[in-house]
Amino acid sequence: DQQVKQNSPSLSVQEGRISILNCDYTNSMFDYFLWYKKYPAEGPTFLISISSIKDKNEDGRFTVFLNKSAKHLSLHIVPSQPGDSAVYFCAASNQGAQKLVFGQGTRLTINP
Amino acid sequence: NAGVTQTPKFRVLKTGQSMTLLCAQDMNHEYMYWYRQDPGMGLRLIHYSVGEGTTAKGEVPDGYNVSRLKKQNFLLGLESAAPSQTSVYFCASLQGTEAFFGQGTRLTVV
Repeated sequence: DQQVKQNSPSLSVQEGRISILNCDYTNSMFDYFLWYKKYPAEGPTFLISISSIKDKNEDGRFTVFLNKSAKHLSLHIVPSQPGDSAVYFCAASNQGAQKLVFGQGTRLTINP
Repeated sequence: NAGVTQTPKFRVLKTGQSMTLLCAQDMNHEYMYWYRQDPGMGLRLIHYSVGEGTTAKGEVPDGYNVSRLKKQNFLLGLESAAPSQTSVYFCASLQGTEAFFGQGTRLTVV
């Protein structure tokens, strides 16, 4: 039972353009969502998060959008830079359960 | 401040051997987690702990045991390793809703 799904295993974007990574979830009890970035041979690092009481959160070039009715969130990176090439994981939590559930990840490649 | 440290970083085991992976955090976090990462599967939760002396099963607990005798340490044990346990293992500790990860342990079972 995959509660958090990232249906695109990979995405290729030209430098300077917008990258959009998508994530869907099935558990309506999730109330906090996070994006993590992972480089090869390193652990995932926190990128940006959003609470279920909001529909948008921005941090520099990164914006996360949440559509609760569709159980969908997306991460926008603009403009995309070569250093953004990494695997991006979407994660969700139910603060009461204190578990963090991850999606399968999307490998983003930024082409010069 | 080291954050979350995992040892060892790499290990090759023969089928049937046992080993323990150690995770140590110096941030005084209550919650700690063990995940495994496999191609196309993302990060799957093996076991977790919400405090010293407590443990709970995650999504894929079979074949693993854990212990949290001290708040700063979370141990993951494989009693009888199987090739299906070949994976990259990540430990994490939680502050609020943000998890901090270790560098990972690449385990190969032959």
